[in-house]
Amino acid sequence: EADIYQTPRYLVIGTGKKITLECSQTMGHDKMYWYQQDPGMELHLIHYSYGVNSTEKGDLSSESTVSRIRTEHFPLTLESARPSHTSQYLCASSATWGSQPQHFGDGTRLSIL
Amino acid sequence: KNQVEQSPQSLIILEGKNCTLQCNYTVSPFSNLRWYKQDTGRGPVSLTIMTFSENTKSNGRYTATLDADTKQSSLHITASQLSDSASYICVVTDRGSTLGRLYFGRGTQLTVWP
Repeated sequence: EADIYQTPRYLVIGTGKKITLECSQTMGHDKMYWYQQDPGMELHLIHYSYGVNSTEKGDLSSESTVSRIRTEHFPLTLESARPSHTSQYLCASSATWGSQPQHFGDGTRLSIL
Repeated sequence: KNQVEQSPQSLIILEGKNCTLQCNYTVSPFSNLRWYKQDTGRGPVSLTIMTFSENTKSNGRYTATLDADTKQSSLHITASQLSDSASYICVVTDRGSTLGRLYFGRGTQLTVWP
């Protein structure tokens, strides 16, 4: 089992609220990722990080932001949640790009009312 | 356009039976192909990875094949168990950029009935 943790697992919250989804890994991986996944659809990369103080936007445009102040921690923030943000958010980490497996957390299922 | 297509979209089999899931891709240049298993409500877990020079890789009852010429891969599950019920996702990595971009299929939803 990979040591990557996401909290909360489920979140139901009203429109306009500020939300932070937490992701932590204990493997010392430099590379971390956030994906968005809707039911029956493929994972879409929304943010990634090469290491501390490095963050980049992924393939899918997202109104969320991320930060990487510590190697093990890669939180995702929505300043003002909207119903269109309802989705599952998966965090992952890897030792290197591509060849090494990405270890995934169990996700946060977010519902915005 | 780089794409990963999986079939079937969903599959129901009886416990103990074998099944084969398909993955076709157009990603180029190709680096590697990985199969993930995603249980309901959980994150994906890597099952196998194959590079260009490998055409088969096994992990217990899971056997993946790769034909890099036709850009096709399959995942064969032998003697299925109830715990095999999950979504199986094919992921292809390109080597055309420093990012090593990953392309995800939509997955095949496998249900194993007793």
